[in-house]
Amino acid sequence: NAGVMQNPRHLVRRRGQEARLRCSPMKGHSHVYWYRQLPEEGLKFMVYLQKENIIDESGMPKERFSAEFPKEGPSILRIQQVVRGDSAAYFCASSPIGQGEQYFGPGTRLTVT
Amino acid sequence: DAKTTQPNSMESNEEEPVHLPCNHSTISGTDYIHWYRQLPSQGPEYVIHGLTSNVNNRMASLAIAEDRKSSTLILHRATLRDAAVYYCILIENNNNDMRFGAGTRLTVKP
Repeated sequence: NAGVMQNPRHLVRRRGQEARLRCSPMKGHSHVYWYRQLPEEGLKFMVYLQKENIIDESGMPKERFSAEFPKEGPSILRIQQVVRGDSAAYFCASSPIGQGEQYFGPGTRLTVT
Repeated sequence: DAKTTQPNSMESNEEEPVHLPCNHSTISGTDYIHWYRQLPSQGPEYVIHGLTSNVNNRMASLAIAEDRKSSTLILHRATLRDAAVYYCILIENNNNDMRFGAGTRLTVKP
């Protein structure tokens, strides 16, 4: 059973471009979570999704950031018009139900130049 | 905001036990205590969780104080691969609303 997969593992974008980060949850998991980790800091919750629904987006910046988890395919975290402050590691996690243990992916490291 | 307090860092010798403390004096009756760890350049990894009783699994043990205001993660024999940042997190009703604090950076010396 493959674990949580994220791609790309590394992404470089120039200021003003768009970044798309993908997360494929573990098989059978319908709950997905996105976290951001700035250099030398802890993880910050961003958003919690179930298929086709956003359950909690209280950690998402109000502008430029959006997330989706369609009925088919991976969850996508989209950052429009990236700025240098968006440079961070973005981790995705999944769980089979909305409780208990979360399984994390290896992360996508975004660098904005 | 994180509702737990952990030391910033701890050191241990290889093959010795490690006790990682966590204070959560404002814990409510429905808060579960979860521990995750993050190895360098990797995503967090679940370690263990509990509510009231002490818990054991293949990775570690979790000792929960009787008043639940503190808990201790116990690694019975530290290895170099246990060097990581350990996070103690309270989760209400075990729902997946995780707020990570700064954690404890564990260094294991050979």
